[in-house]
Amino acid sequence: LAKTTQPISMDSYEGQEVNITCSHNNIATNDYITWYQQFPSQGPRFIIQGYKTKVTNEVASLFIPADRKSSTLSLPRVSLSDTAVYYCLMSSGAGSYQLTFGKGTKLSVIP
Amino acid sequence: GAVVSQHPSWVICKSGTSVKIECRSLDFQATTMFWYRQFPKQSLMLMATSNEGSKATYEQGVEKDKFLINHASLTLSTLTVTSAHPEDSSFYICSARDWASGGTGELFFGEGSRLTVL
Repeated sequence: LAKTTQPISMDSYEGQEVNITCSHNNIATNDYITWYQQFPSQGPRFIIQGYKTKVTNEVASLFIPADRKSSTLSLPRVSLSDTAVYYCLMSSGAGSYQLTFGKGTKLSVIP
Repeated sequence: GAVVSQHPSWVICKSGTSVKIECRSLDFQATTMFWYRQFPKQSLMLMATSNEGSKATYEQGVEKDKFLINHASLTLSTLTVTSAHPEDSSFYICSARDWASGGTGELFFGEGSRLTVL
């Protein structure tokens, strides 16, 4: 599975939009990009998944450029409760669903 | 969405004893479940893949005789930490995929089980 690189940490004030970028230069043709959120002492929670261009759901947007070598998770108007670790992962199509976690990005939202 | 539940959520045991952690898919069937371990301030590390009706597949460096995995039904996988030692203290998380829900690569995770070995 493709290796991912994310910033170790980010700080943001409440109400701001936060963009977390993940690099995945070796992404394979059948890899999907998936983002998870994890709070302390809890299991990861699925946020969003995409293959190309833009995906939006009720909590976030995912921007994927044409070359798919990176992706950006966008969290609109963050609140204190968005303080968590965010993981960017590659998953290889329908036949292989094992996920390998990188180090993630620790987002701290400041009042 | 699909729900994966773990039990117990936390457990304290004495060194040398064995501890069993259960992982259940509550509203879907899971032929495959995954067990992860997470140490403080670190990422999740995949330990093994649990396969219903067959032997688990362990990642390199994970002792299969120490971390016994049983996946006897389509909704239950268990992880038994045998002869636990303080260094086994960690946060254990299971996950499963709901094929019927659609999507690709979306796994549902349990709440995690914190093991403390004294």
